[in-house]
Amino acid sequence: EPEVTQTPSHQVTQMGQEVILRCVPISNHLYFYWYRQILGQKVEFLVSFYNNEISEKSEIFDDQFSVERPDGSNFTLKIRSTKLEDSAMYFCATEPGQRYGYTFGSGTRLTVV
Amino acid sequence: GNSVTQMEGPVTLSEEAFLTINCTYTATGYPSLFWYVQYPGEGLQLLLKATKADDKGSNKGFEATYRKETTSFHLEKGSVQVSDSAVYFCALSSGGYNKLIFGAGTRLAVHP
Repeated sequence: EPEVTQTPSHQVTQMGQEVILRCVPISNHLYFYWYRQILGQKVEFLVSFYNNEISEKSEIFDDQFSVERPDGSNFTLKIRSTKLEDSAMYFCATEPGQRYGYTFGSGTRLTVV
Repeated sequence: GNSVTQMEGPVTLSEEAFLTINCTYTATGYPSLFWYVQYPGEGLQLLLKATKADDKGSNKGFEATYRKETTSFHLEKGSVQVSDSAVYFCALSSGGYNKLIFGAGTRLAVHP
């Protein structure tokens, strides 16, 4: 069964450093998303991406965050200057069409120290 | 705005017991409704979905019916197994870009 692949599975970074989280979507999927889950809390929407541009973003997704699809396959989330409160599990999700149902990756656990 | 409310957990059951996890929603328009499951240490997996009123989603013995009149999408299973122990998230999508809004999640623990 096709999978959404996320790398790395776990990243530890120092406060103020930049991190890039990577996602390889399923090949025929057109809609891409990033969500995060702070430990023990609910899953929160960050951003949606379609046709090579952001279609919607949440209040969490401030100027420190950016997304891109640099080579037509990878879908990346960059955090420019990490803060302690960015520590969370970050999930990439993709779907072939709207409301079809997401396929989530297994997540990247980001720990900011 | 749109929101999802789930019953608080943890829910602790014995094997073969009947499971209900309540989920209600608030949304404009006609949302699609989903249940996702998260096993320990893993990501989110789509369990079932329903896209319009009175639809029933089902998978792996789990069922949920989209009830517009009560704005509910309760998850049920007739006989749970230890392997069903996980966190269950109710979610809705609405609007043009299909953002998912999740409930807080309900932890289910099934004992032999």
